[in-house]
Amino acid sequence: QKEVEQNSGPLSVPEGAIASLNCTYSDRVSQSFFWYRQYSGKSPELIMSIYSNGDKEDGRFTAQLNKASQYVSLLIRDSQPSDSATYLCAVEDNAGNMLTFGGGTRLMVKP
Amino acid sequence: GAGVSQSPRYKVTKRGQDVALRCDPISGHVSLYWYRQALGQGPEFLTYFNYEAQQDKSGLPNDRFSAERPEGSISTLTIQRTEQRDSAMYRCASSLGAAGAEGEAFFGQGTRLTVV
Repeated sequence: QKEVEQNSGPLSVPEGAIASLNCTYSDRVSQSFFWYRQYSGKSPELIMSIYSNGDKEDGRFTAQLNKASQYVSLLIRDSQPSDSATYLCAVEDNAGNMLTFGGGTRLMVKP
Repeated sequence: GAGVSQSPRYKVTKRGQDVALRCDPISGHVSLYWYRQALGQGPEFLTYFNYEAQQDKSGLPNDRFSAERPEGSISTLTIQRTEQRDSAMYRCASSLGAAGAEGEAFFGQGTRLTVV
């Protein structure tokens, strides 16, 4: 069974700090990785995708992928209270078929 | 449409009744996913389609759950003889399809099902 694991949190960081969110996955042949943000009572929305080892930066967000360690992370620089949400890691299987989500990490950014 | 549309937004039904949840994906999206999400947890995979073909239904909890997408667009998730444990948010997502960048999924607002 394919598994995606995240620390449920809450992860609490002060405003302006770097928030680091981590995710591990079990299916070694997974190819595509995504981070979704879900505000309370809302639907998940895609914020980052990453497909190859290394870092990918988009504004204040950086996704990091290490396929050898089966590890993907999301860094949020200069965290803002508006970043407070649950962050879901999602992994797509090798055939590009099924998207499996982790349980999510709740992030709280305190002013 | 501009986004993934689900209906109804809220459904309250009595135990034992059948319910049908509808999903209208983004136009042109090949892949359509159904998830169930409990409060405080991540989306739990139920089933998905490429065009009209159901590719994987391994996440459906039991044979009371079924889904179809007869014309490769709108999909219906049906739950027969509902039970209280079926109460949850049911989310639909669609993507362009295939592997890689086209696998990015867009979610609808969900249907909140309550079985009383």
